[in-house]
Amino acid sequence: GAGVSQSPRYKVAKRGQDVALRCDPISGHVSLFWYQQALGQGPEFLTYFQNEAQLDKSGLPSDRFFAERPEGSVSTLKIQRTQQEDSAVYLCASSQGRNSPLHFGNGTRLTVT
Amino acid sequence: GENVEQHPSTLSVQEGDSAVIKCTYSDSASNYFPWYKQELGKGPQLIIDIRSNVGEKKDQRIAVTLNKTAKHFSLHITETQPEDSAVYFCAAPKTNTGNQFYFGTGTSLTVIP
Repeated sequence: GAGVSQSPRYKVAKRGQDVALRCDPISGHVSLFWYQQALGQGPEFLTYFQNEAQLDKSGLPSDRFFAERPEGSVSTLKIQRTQQEDSAVYLCASSQGRNSPLHFGNGTRLTVT
Repeated sequence: GENVEQHPSTLSVQEGDSAVIKCTYSDSASNYFPWYKQELGKGPQLIIDIRSNVGEKKDQRIAVTLNKTAKHFSLHITETQPEDSAVYFCAAPKTNTGNQFYFGTGTSLTVIP
């Protein structure tokens, strides 16, 4: 497709379950980002890939969060042993590189019950 | 690191009036400033951006102004329409990256028909 695609759109998980969120970036975009957006807040940076290399994971809130982009295209954000505070919208974005705009997907809304 | 402040948090205007949203940033080295519009249930969409070598950029009813000395930039929407109602975010690059961004806390704009 022409834009960033994320799946699933909605995910409900029971506390303690593991979840995996998928992102298909715009074809040819080398940079890929994951952001977390709480209700009524701006997106908060989680992690950044350039091709398959994870160059910055400083925003990941705990070691329960793990992201990968093994072939430099599709990325997966995994959250292990989900907690209620993990409930948020997880946004994926891609860009062509430095000082280029981010193109966001529509996000995955995660609700942990 | 960068610190982005955005005001106001909510804004209501009559259809046809203008709306102005302001952001300040802290890192004088920042040189690229995008604005995003986020509608309910969707990811942020880039609507306009400005680089530090210009003071103003306009695209139809939307304009952005940049004051590098004062370290602030503003979004101007003229002749507002109901479909302009959304949450607007400003962003500024994380220091020394150029491709990671700090986002403001958002402005919820309501255009009253």
